[in-house]
Amino acid sequence: ILNVEQSPQSLHVQEGDSTNFTCSFPSSNFYALHWYRWETAKSPEALFVMTLNGDEKKKGRISATLNTKEGYSYLYIKGSQPEDSATYLCAPGRDDKIIFGKGTRLHILP
Amino acid sequence: EAQVTQNPRYLITVTGKKLTVTCSQNMNHEYMSWYRQDPGLGLRQIYYSMNVEVTDKGDVPEGYKVSRKEKRNFPLILESPSPNQTSLYFCASSLYANTDTQYFGPGTRLTVL
Repeated sequence: ILNVEQSPQSLHVQEGDSTNFTCSFPSSNFYALHWYRWETAKSPEALFVMTLNGDEKKKGRISATLNTKEGYSYLYIKGSQPEDSATYLCAPGRDDKIIFGKGTRLHILP
Repeated sequence: EAQVTQNPRYLITVTGKKLTVTCSQNMNHEYMSWYRQDPGLGLRQIYYSMNVEVTDKGDVPEGYKVSRKEKRNFPLILESPSPNQTSLYFCASSLYANTDTQYFGPGTRLTVL
C-alpha cells in the first residue's frame, strides 16, 4: 500500500497569517498529485492536480508545488481567512489508484 | 448540472440485511470509485472501475461488491452488513484514472446495528 504522509495533522493559524503544510509520498511509479479541500459535513472538493516535477499551481490565495524526484508537495495559504478552515487532503495517483493521506486539519482563529 | 449523486444519504440497518447504495454520475466519466471514511483512518478505497464491466479491488474490499453495467452507475452492495461497516461512504468519478480530478458524491452515512 502506498504510504502517504501529511504533516502536521492539525494546525491552528491566526486569521491573516500565511501557512503551509506538507505531503510526502513514494516517488516511484508516480502519475499525479491531487490536493483536495474538505469542509465538515461536505464532500471533498478538488483544488489542484499536478503531474510534472517542479509544477506550481495557484488558485486565489492557495498555491501548491510538487517535487516528484524526492516525493513531496507543499500547499501554501496566504493571508488565511475563516473560510479556509477545512481538512486538506493530498492524494498521489499511482497505477490505477489515487491514495489519500489522512489530511491536515486547518483551524483559522479570529 | 454536472454531479455525482448517491442514495440513500443516511441509512440505519441491522446486521445481515443486504443493502445497496447507489451512485450515479452525469459527466460521462470512465473512472468511478467507492471510498469509506473512518475517524483517524482517512479515505480508503473500497473498489474502483476503469470502465463498463471492469471493476477492481481497492485497499479494503472485504464485505463489499460492486457492479458497472452502465457507464453512469456504480452501485455498492453489502451482502451481509456487519457493525464494522458502519462508516461514511463516498462515491467519486473522474474522466480517467489517476491524473484527472475526482468529483465526489454527497456521502452516505451508514450505521449497522
